[in-house]
Amino acid sequence: AQKVTQAQTEISVVEKEDVTLDCVYETRDTTYYLFWYKQPPSGELVFLIRRNSFDEQNEISGRYSWNFQKSTSSFNFTITASQVVDSAVYFCALRSGGGADGLTFGKGTHLIIQP
Amino acid sequence: DGGITQSPKYLFRKEGQNVTLSCEQNLNHDAMYWYRQDPGQGLRLIYYSQIVNDFQKGDIAEGYSVSREKKESFPLTVTSAQKNPTAFYLCASTSGRRRDTQYFGPGTRLTVL
Repeated sequence: AQKVTQAQTEISVVEKEDVTLDCVYETRDTTYYLFWYKQPPSGELVFLIRRNSFDEQNEISGRYSWNFQKSTSSFNFTITASQVVDSAVYFCALRSGGGADGLTFGKGTHLIIQP
Repeated sequence: DGGITQSPKYLFRKEGQNVTLSCEQNLNHDAMYWYRQDPGQGLRLIYYSQIVNDFQKGDIAEGYSVSREKKESFPLTVTSAQKNPTAFYLCASTSGRRRDTQYFGPGTRLTVL
């Protein structure tokens, strides 16, 4: 069975601070895909990044960066110099098997950026 | 513009009534999905369809039904057998290729009165 754990239910920081959202996953498959989505108050899920299990390169996109470590089954997400607009719920998700299979989601981390 | 639409945005129903949620996509995607989100919870998979006229149960299919008569459309019916239907429902789609990403619609918030 697959499982995604986001242990941080809620994080509150002051604007311009750096913040890291943790994600730990479990799967028996050797090929799998990891995702991060952002859910603003409007409710729609916005795709942020996809990472394949065979590619452990970290990735940076502007103020966002992702650290994928297979040895610890973690896929953490860091926001540098946070802004109020980053306030949202962030979900980590896992897909194993075929491309059309459903995603297994963590319970999400509610990030609050205070001005 | 290509995308996924869900209607209505808010839906109210009386206990014991069936209700159908709409999901349409014009991305030419083969695979479509329905997820349910409860407050403070992650999304859970209800049903998914990889091709027209075929669909599979997800983790929480009881009390729900779907159809896939057209590639663009994947409606979800919440039946009276669903014991706790009040939730936020999200539809998603993807091409179905192994490396691809699921993209989501804006969601429908269902409240049972």
